[in-house]
Amino acid sequence: DAKTTQPTSMDCAEGRAANLPCNHSTISGNEYVYWYRQIHSQGPQYIIHGLKNNETNEMASLIITEDRKSSTLILPHATLRDTAVYYCIVRVFNDYKLSFGAGTTVTVRA
Amino acid sequence: DVKVTQSSRYLVKRTGEKVFLECVQDMDHENMFWYRQDPGLGLRLIYFSYDVKMKEKGDIPEGYSVSREKKERFSLILESASTNQTSMYLCASSSGTAFGANVLTFGAGSRLTVL
Repeated sequence: DAKTTQPTSMDCAEGRAANLPCNHSTISGNEYVYWYRQIHSQGPQYIIHGLKNNETNEMASLIITEDRKSSTLILPHATLRDTAVYYCIVRVFNDYKLSFGAGTTVTVRA
Repeated sequence: DVKVTQSSRYLVKRTGEKVFLECVQDMDHENMFWYRQDPGLGLRLIYFSYDVKMKEKGDIPEGYSVSREKKERFSLILESASTNQTSMYLCASSSGTAFGANVLTFGAGSRLTVL
């Protein structure tokens, strides 16, 4: 599996965009980028995934660089409820064994 | 709107006891998973199942077994609980479609303490 590298933590102001980086320089052509988050005392929650095109849904946007070696998850208007650990995972689309690393602890401050 | 339900939120058991953790999903998903989460170690996959009566070992299956007799239910069994199995256990499910397999829906978790 391609390894991912994320910052350990980051702060964000409420109402501002939160940009969460992820490096995956060894990603292979058939591997997707998945993002999950885990709010304290809850199970992880799926956010978004993509292969090479930018993706957007009601929760976030995913920007993948042209060489696919890194990506950025964007929370357009962060709220206090977005405080969570965010996981970036790279995996072949039909491989069941998702591995969750340490992730980035995002704290949204009022 | 609950989709993946774990039977117990908190359990306290004694060393050597047999422990059953139950998970039920109502999304008609083919795949079901059991993870454990420990501080500093992230989520680690114990077992998963891609069909009724089918199971495959994850990264840390030792000391655990699973049962999937019905599509909606996936049970994790600790035959003889030990203190190093004190952890948060998370159940998840996903569809069997090619592009849905990695879109997991998780339950709220079961925190098990083994004394």
